[in-house]
Amino acid sequence: KAGVTQTPRYLIKTRGQQVTLSCSPISGHRSVSWYQQTPGQGLQFLFEYFSETQRNKGNFPGRFSGRQFSNSRSEMNVSTLELGDSALYLCASCVEQGRTEAFFGQGTRLTVV
Amino acid sequence: QKEVEQDPGPLSVPEGAIVSLNCTYSNSAFQYFMWYRQYSRKGPELLMYTYSSGNKEDGRFTAQVDKSSKYISLFIRDSQPSDSATYLCAMNNNDMRFGAGTRLTVKP
Repeated sequence: KAGVTQTPRYLIKTRGQQVTLSCSPISGHRSVSWYQQTPGQGLQFLFEYFSETQRNKGNFPGRFSGRQFSNSRSEMNVSTLELGDSALYLCASCVEQGRTEAFFGQGTRLTVV
Repeated sequence: QKEVEQDPGPLSVPEGAIVSLNCTYSNSAFQYFMWYRQYSRKGPELLMYTYSSGNKEDGRFTAQVDKSSKYISLFIRDSQPSDSATYLCAMNNNDMRFGAGTRLTVKP
């Protein structure tokens, strides 16, 4: 069974640009959550999608957005990139919303210069 | 004060030692408690999860939850160099909250 797939693995962007990250959950998993991981703040919850609807949202500015497609694949978008957005962005999938058994992808390492 | 507090370490132990990793939390609404292991340049991997207070054992790993003290622990017996990683505690009510992670090194 394939795991959670995140693309791309690495990205370098310039301040002010926007970026789109992609996550394909494990087959049969309908919930996708996104996290930002930085050395200073650790793992922080961005949002969770289930059945194409955002169910929960963390404390991030509106520049961070996401969506989920009918096949459960998800994308997150960050607009007007800032240097502080440099981080590892992780996606996790669960069978259902709010389940404890979350499986993480390897992440997308975003560097903003 | 953060909702979940975890000593970031680093923690270095000799092979075969018993390792104790701990987290405290402030939100009494948390119901599920998890431990994740994260190797360098990888995503976190779920090790164990428990619901409410009590102990749960899985091989060399034991998770403990004390809801009255808002304190959770992960014990690793007979630690191996392959256990060297960052260990993250996590708690779930409506969404997941993670500790900062403790970096563990097990020396041969």
